[in-house]
Amino acid sequence: EAGVAQSPRYKIIEKRQSVAFWCNPISGHATLYWYQQILGQGPKLLIQFQNNGVVDDSQLPKDRFSAERLKGVDSTLKIQPAKLEDSAVYLCASSPDGTDTQYFGPGTRLTVL
Amino acid sequence: AQSVTQLGSHVSVSEGALVLLRCNYSSSVPPYLFWYVQYPNQGLQLLLKYTTGATLVKGINGFEAEFKKSETSFHLTKPSAHMSDAAEYFCAVSGAGGSYIPTFGRGTSLIVHP
Repeated sequence: EAGVAQSPRYKIIEKRQSVAFWCNPISGHATLYWYQQILGQGPKLLIQFQNNGVVDDSQLPKDRFSAERLKGVDSTLKIQPAKLEDSAVYLCASSPDGTDTQYFGPGTRLTVL
Repeated sequence: AQSVTQLGSHVSVSEGALVLLRCNYSSSVPPYLFWYVQYPNQGLQLLLKYTTGATLVKGINGFEAEFKKSETSFHLTKPSAHMSDAAEYFCAVSGAGGSYIPTFGRGTSLIVHP
């Protein structure tokens, strides 16, 4: 069974630029999550999708972050414009129905200069 | 509300020695508890989880953890450390307010010396 795929693996941008990350969850998993992991900290949930609907985006900085999950499969997370404090690893995870174990992708390491 | 405290940001052991990583949680409801491992430049991998039932939970790679409600703890142990166990370990709790979203601790880096 293929795992959660993410791309790119690494991205370096300058502040005020835009960036987008892509995630393809495990086939058949209805729930998809985006986490932000700042160096030295545990992951923090940004947004949770159930199929193509948003379940929880209370910790998403909506003035600069956006996410979508068209057709309830893969998802894109965008930052526009980026700030220095957005430097982090962005992890995507999926689970069968939101009540079970989450499976994590390898993450995208973002550096904002 | 729920929270996790991992005692010690770094734990250093010799190969073959006992591994003990400490986790204490706070939750207003019976918790679900998790341990994840993260190897460099990789995502998180579930080691084990406690939901209900037996309080001693066995996971992958020889790890186990015991849920102790009276101590609000969920410490992770392994009898004999291997070099390959060197990684970052995260404890997480979920269940408060009916949410299955885990709240993660800050992580403990396990260093294994030859």
